[in-house]
Amino acid sequence: DAGVIQSPRHEVTEMGQEVTLRCKPISGHNSLFWYRQTMMRGLELLIYFNNNVPIDDSGMPEDRFSAKMPNASFSTLKIQPSEPRDSAVYFCASSLARVDEQYFGPGTRLTVT
Amino acid sequence: KNEVEQSPQNLTAQEGEFITINCSYSVGISALHWLQQHPGGGIVSLFMLSSGKKKHGRLIATINIQEKHSSLHITASHPRDSAVYICAVNPDKLIFGTGTRLQVFP
Repeated sequence: DAGVIQSPRHEVTEMGQEVTLRCKPISGHNSLFWYRQTMMRGLELLIYFNNNVPIDDSGMPEDRFSAKMPNASFSTLKIQPSEPRDSAVYFCASSLARVDEQYFGPGTRLTVT
Repeated sequence: KNEVEQSPQNLTAQEGEFITINCSYSVGISALHWLQQHPGGGIVSLFMLSSGKKKHGRLIATINIQEKHSSLHITASHPRDSAVYICAVNPDKLIFGTGTRLQVFP
């Protein structure tokens, strides 16, 4: 398996633009997680899905952030409108079950100017 | 106070030294994870454990549930072990420590 795939790897956009980050989990994994990493706050969970259903989105910073998982092999994290403080590395991870070893994607480095 | 505390924050070692990184947590958990993040940014899961001890190559992880403490040991450290090591606990979702930056010099 290719592991968790994220795209794009780098994204530079201007404040106010919509940003969509994409994730393909490992086939057969039932849980998918979106994380954000910044120098100030470290790694934080934004949202996680179990069997394509959002279970906990309490980490989503505000209404500008939304995430979907339309099927078992694809998830998106959308920021609209983007702001400079959204600049961070966004990781997607998947696991067989909610409490199980997680496999991380390479991350998307987002810069909002 | 953070729910997950790691020590030390930074660690330098000479190649071959035995290394210990500590993690203390304040919440009830179902599992604890040790992750490794290389300078390039990728994150790799090293261990997930809920009791006792696990070993993989030169890496050993232990956990004491009663004391809410875990340690990650690296035996015969090597420059390629240089990375940030992150402890994360799972009450119902992962809560991360701030990481320990390890540099191993030849």
